[in-house]
Amino acid sequence: DAGVIQSPRHEVTEMGQEVTLRCKPISGHDYLFWYRQTMMRGLELLIYFNNNVPIDDSGMPEDRFSAKMPNASFSTLKIQPSEPRDSAVYFCASSGDPQGSEAFFGQGTRLTVV
Amino acid sequence: AQTVTQSQPEMSVQEAETVTLSCTYDTSESDYYLFWYKQPPSRQMILVIRQEAYKQQNATENRFSVNFQKAAKSFSLKISDSQLGDAAMYFCAHSGAGSYQLTFGKGTKLSVIP
Repeated sequence: DAGVIQSPRHEVTEMGQEVTLRCKPISGHDYLFWYRQTMMRGLELLIYFNNNVPIDDSGMPEDRFSAKMPNASFSTLKIQPSEPRDSAVYFCASSGDPQGSEAFFGQGTRLTVV
Repeated sequence: AQTVTQSQPEMSVQEAETVTLSCTYDTSESDYYLFWYKQPPSRQMILVIRQEAYKQQNATENRFSVNFQKAAKSFSLKISDSQLGDAAMYFCAHSGAGSYQLTFGKGTKLSVIP
């Protein structure tokens, strides 16, 4: 398996524009997570899905953020409109072990909003 | 709510020597998992070692071992025979059994001196 695949690796956009980050989890994994990493706040969980259903989105900062998982092999995180304070590295991770085992991370998308 | 604290923002170690990274956590759960993740400059989050809270035996993976003190809520990582490739950010993380989401510490930046 190629691991968790995220695209793009880098994204630079202007304030006010819509940004869509993409994630392909490891095949067979039932759980998918979106994390955000910043210098100030470290790694924070934004939202996670189980069997394509959003379970906990309490970490989503505000209504400008939305996430979908239309099928078991694809998820998106959308920011609309984007703001400079959204600049961060966004990680997608997946897990297949229901006993709270290892989460496998993608390489992250570095988002810069100017 | 769970919290994870890493009190050492930066550490350094001489190549071939041993270093210990500290981590404390707070949780109300009786069953949980603890992890150490490594993040090299490539940004990839890599699992180093995992500990199940119900196991009294400390986990070991080659040069990496943990000192898990459940009563003290302490989970330190020891790296023996440090190598240049060990230089990275190290994150301590907690996951409640059945919750599947990770709570991370702020990280410790480890430098390895040749």
